Amino acid sequence: GAVVSQHPSWVICKSGTSVKIECRSLDFQATTMFWYRQFPKQSLMLMATSNEGSKATYEQGVEKDKFLINHASLTLSTLTVTSAHPEDSSFYICSARGGPDYEQYFGPGTRLTVT
Amino acid sequence: GQQVMQIPQYQHVQEGEDFTTYCNSSTTLSNIQWYKQRPGGHPVFLIQLVKSGEVKKQKRLTFQFGEAKKNSSLHITATQTTDVGTYFCALYSSASKIIFGSGTRLSIRP
Repeated sequence: GAVVSQHPSWVICKSGTSVKIECRSLDFQATTMFWYRQFPKQSLMLMATSNEGSKATYEQGVEKDKFLINHASLTLSTLTVTSAHPEDSSFYICSARGGPDYEQYFGPGTRLTVT
Repeated sequence: GQQVMQIPQYQHVQEGEDFTTYCNSSTTLSNIQWYKQRPGGHPVFLIQLVKSGEVKKQKRLTFQFGEAKKNSSLHITATQTTDVGTYFCALYSSASKIIFGSGTRLSIRP
């Protein structure tokens, strides 16, 4: 139980385009989902927290207009990287909090490459 | 905000040698978690420590939470090539968010 999936697992897009990443809790309801970004050889940095049905809360330094987060249901959150640039290339990992123990479970990550 | 400092940044050991990574916080932690990330993979939850002075073992891995709940360590006995990866400690912030330490990258000479 408590599985979190992400789609796609990897994506390559051209500079200036937008890309959407989905995060799903497969067997539990997640009232809160978190989005992290990890650059090569660095730690995971929390980008934002999203609660179902409300606006996401962004960490300091994260542009909310560039990284659009939607948490439309208790099992799905999406992160859209708008007008992507090569410096947005990174590993994006979501996590979902819920389940019987109200724990936080991590997805497998999405590797984004912007050319 | 709350954060943890993790040392060392890198550790390169001969297979069979022991390995230890440390996390330190300036504030008292409610709990601390440890994750392992294999090269190219995503972080995998290993364990959570909650109690002061707690020691937990998973086979060759020993996790310890300091008496003052401000530091923690992960010790691997007799490393194997399968232990390669980056080990992160993480804490639950006051806002119930998981904040990761900087990680220790372990590489092993066979």
